[in-house]
Formats: sequence, C-alpha cells, structure tokens
Amino acid sequence: KNEVEQSPQNLTAQEGEFITINCSYSVGISALHWLQQHPGGGIVSLFMLSSGKKKHGRLIATINIQEKHSSLHITASHPRDSAVYICSGGSNYKLTFGKGTLLTVNP
Amino acid sequence: SAVISQKPSRDICQRGTSLTIQCQVDSQVTMMFWYRQQPGQSLTLIATANQGSEATYESGFVIDKFPISRPNLTFSTLTVSNMSPEDSSIYLCSVAISGGLYEQYFGPGTRLTVT
Repeated sequence: KNEVEQSPQNLTAQEGEFITINCSYSVGISALHWLQQHPGGGIVSLFMLSSGKKKHGRLIATINIQEKHSSLHITASHPRDSAVYICSGGSNYKLTFGKGTLLTVNP
Repeated sequence: SAVISQKPSRDICQRGTSLTIQCQVDSQVTMMFWYRQQPGQSLTLIATANQGSEATYESGFVIDKFPISRPNLTFSTLTVSNMSPEDSSIYLCSVAISGGLYEQYFGPGTRLTVT
C-alpha cells in the first residue's frame, strides 16, 4: 500500500465545475505539497501546507493533520487546469509522492 | 523561491550510451535532488546532491549507473550511464529551501527515451 493515496485517479469535468481531489497519507509528515504536472513533464509547486487552509486564485488546499487528509479544490474550472495533480508529504526534505490525479476539463 | 532550468528538455538516445542532464538554479541552495518518473508512475528519489559532499543514493540506485556532480551551490548534473530502454523516464531536478519547513521547487524535467 502506497503511503500517500490520492483519489480519484482520473477526473473529467466540464468547464466551470467545482473540482475536489483528495489525498490521504499514512506517513508522518511535517508538510504536505500539492504539485501540478503538465503533459510536457515539468512540475509546478502549487501549495505547501502544514495546517489549515491556503488559497491562491481559484485553487484552495486544506489539510487535517489529525485525520491525515488533504484536499485540493479548483473553483470555476477551466480547460487550462487540465493536468496531473500530485500530492506529496514529507518530513524535512524527503517527500513521498502519490500517483497523481489526471484532471481533464472539457470546454 | 527558486527558478530551475534543465538541459536538455528531451532526448532520444541509443541503448548503451550515456546522457548527462544539467540542472541550473537561479540562487544558491544547499540541497538539490534528482528524481525519476517512469511512465505512469509517481516520482522516485534517485539521490540527494549537496555541495561539497558525495551524493547520497536511495535504495535501488547506484553511483555507477547515475553519477552526480555538484560543483557549486547553483548547479548539478546527473548522468544516466549505459542506458537501456528501462531508463526511459522523465528526470527531474529539485531544490529545497529551508525556513522551518522545507519547500521544494522542481525543474521542468528532461524526457528521456532510450531506443
């Protein structure tokens, strides 16, 4: 069993829909990262959080340390949000990665 | 924050050859990392490359196959040696900036195909 589990693995949405991607982890972590990977392969760090909630534009990330669960929400989704979203957790600099959620937003 | 560039962005190589991937950071950082992402898989840490010391390899990765250099605080290289088709992956460089919590920044990746 992977120490970082994401759901769903694949998600298809219509433009404008509210999207939620979930992440559960069994490892002890000091911070959780949400990453975005576009088809070219490059990875962008969206959020790093250790408690509570962070918001950046249409993206919101929350974490519940007691329940070892985090969610990434996208409001008013757009086709350019189509990408793989990866959750990863770590202590210090060592990260354990989920397998990613492939999001496709159709116009 | 940190901006990372990698060269080459992609390459197609013949089996048995070697490829060196370069990673350049726009600021001085202590910790740099090399990851591999095989098709359909999540990222796997190959090694940690700290300036002034030998790279630390994760289980399953050896220096003879993946030699790493870290000549200064802004640059590192990863060589994939004696390549086989199983080495076809995306290779990513990242850096960690400590400030209580370790925030990681990733490079754009190098997509390697071995034929």
